Amino acid sequence: NAGVTQTPKFRILKIGQSMTLQCAQDMNHNYMYWYRQDPGMGLKLIYYSVGAGITDKGEVPNGYNVSRSTTEDFPLRLELAAPSQTSVYFCASRQWGLADEETQYFGPGTRLLVL
Amino acid sequence: AQKITQTQPGMFVQEKEAVTLDCTYDTSDPSYGLFWYKQPSSGEMIFLIYQGSYDQQNATEGRYSLNFQKARKSANLVISASQLGDSAMYFCAMREDIYNQGGKLIFGQGTELSVKP
Repeated sequence: NAGVTQTPKFRILKIGQSMTLQCAQDMNHNYMYWYRQDPGMGLKLIYYSVGAGITDKGEVPNGYNVSRSTTEDFPLRLELAAPSQTSVYFCASRQWGLADEETQYFGPGTRLLVL
Repeated sequence: AQKITQTQPGMFVQEKEAVTLDCTYDTSDPSYGLFWYKQPSSGEMIFLIYQGSYDQQNATEGRYSLNFQKARKSANLVISASQLGDSAMYFCAMREDIYNQGGKLIFGQGTELSVKP
């Protein structure tokens, strides 16, 4: 199992450009999440999905869009990049139904710089 | 209001000693879970330990234990016998209402732990 994979690892965008951050998991997890982590801060939830075709907003959704057409993939779209979106983006997944930990498994992160 | 509060931005500990990282939380939900993650300088998020709100005993995982005081709404992480490799950022996180909130996590701001040789 590769677990949760994210591409790219690092990207520089100009203001106003758009891009898609890719996230895939091979654990057949129902739930997937996108978080952002600003320097020196904890993670904040952008969007999440409880299954294919179902997405919902998190704490900081403005400026982002998501889709979940398959169980495996959960891409995050930035339409008009702004300097405030400079951050490290983490994708995570977990399986509903585990009795105990229900831990989220995190990808390695994508570092985005908007100039 | 902050749902997860970590009041120690930075901590130092001598190698082989124990250290406690503080975490307090705020929720009115009777069903919740508390997590600790480690983030080394390489950036990945590593799950350490979990405590459910209905668990009667404090969680333990190897050198990690969680000092869960429900009435005080605190969930402190205790690392015993610190090692140099424990130097990292540590995040406390909470998951509320597991049946209706999608299991999303709310994170604290983190505590940076430095282990001295």
